[in-house]
Amino acid sequence: AQSVAQPEDQVNVAEGNPLTVKCTYSVSGNPYLFWYVQYPNRGLQFLLKYITGDNLVKGSYGFEAEFNKSQTSFHLKKPSALVSDSALYFCAVRDNWNYGGSQGNLIFGKGTKLSVKP
Amino acid sequence: DAGVTQSPTHLIKTRGQQVTLRCSPISGHKSVSWYQQVLGQGPQFIFQYYEKEERGRGNFPDRFSARQFPNYSSELNVNALLLGDSALYLCASSLLPRQGPNSSYEQYFGPGTRLTVT
Repeated sequence: AQSVAQPEDQVNVAEGNPLTVKCTYSVSGNPYLFWYVQYPNRGLQFLLKYITGDNLVKGSYGFEAEFNKSQTSFHLKKPSALVSDSALYFCAVRDNWNYGGSQGNLIFGKGTKLSVKP
Repeated sequence: DAGVTQSPTHLIKTRGQQVTLRCSPISGHKSVSWYQQVLGQGPQFIFQYYEKEERGRGNFPDRFSARQFPNYSSELNVNALLLGDSALYLCASSLLPRQGPNSSYEQYFGPGTRLTVT
């Protein structure tokens, strides 16, 4: 079965410092990976995705993610954190309908709370 | 352009009651998926509908049902509410339920309906 793991419940970073939010995955077949962000009392906003191609994926708001097949990881990164980046971040993998999954829906991790202090 | 809209924003029900949540997808999107997000967890897939047909179902009891209308809007219905049904219910839309094995299958989420069962 497809799954993702976010090993950190919370990440604390000082403003201006680089940030990393970790995600590892377990899939059958090729992984289709996503990062979403959730602000308080809001729905999920799409940040970036990896389908094929370059292992470094660039997304919205200066975020990027590095796909590492050997380590089955898809960590979210940003060179310089902003206080406004403080939110809940979710890693997700597309369920693989070729392997008995549902029709391509998303399987989410538990989420990582990012706190950026001034 | 309007994004995914959901109504109501908040809802309070008592155990045993029934509730209906509504979702309007992005214009041109034909597929709607429903997710349940319990506090402190990532969203969990409930249903996917496309062209008024159920195309996927998550691991939820039969108390949960949904339907899609000709204009692609959707309703999620939950009968015999339990305290554990308290959650944020998210609707997501996409162009198609699946777009082939090499597609990105991006889903766009609405702000959610916060359901509290007392």
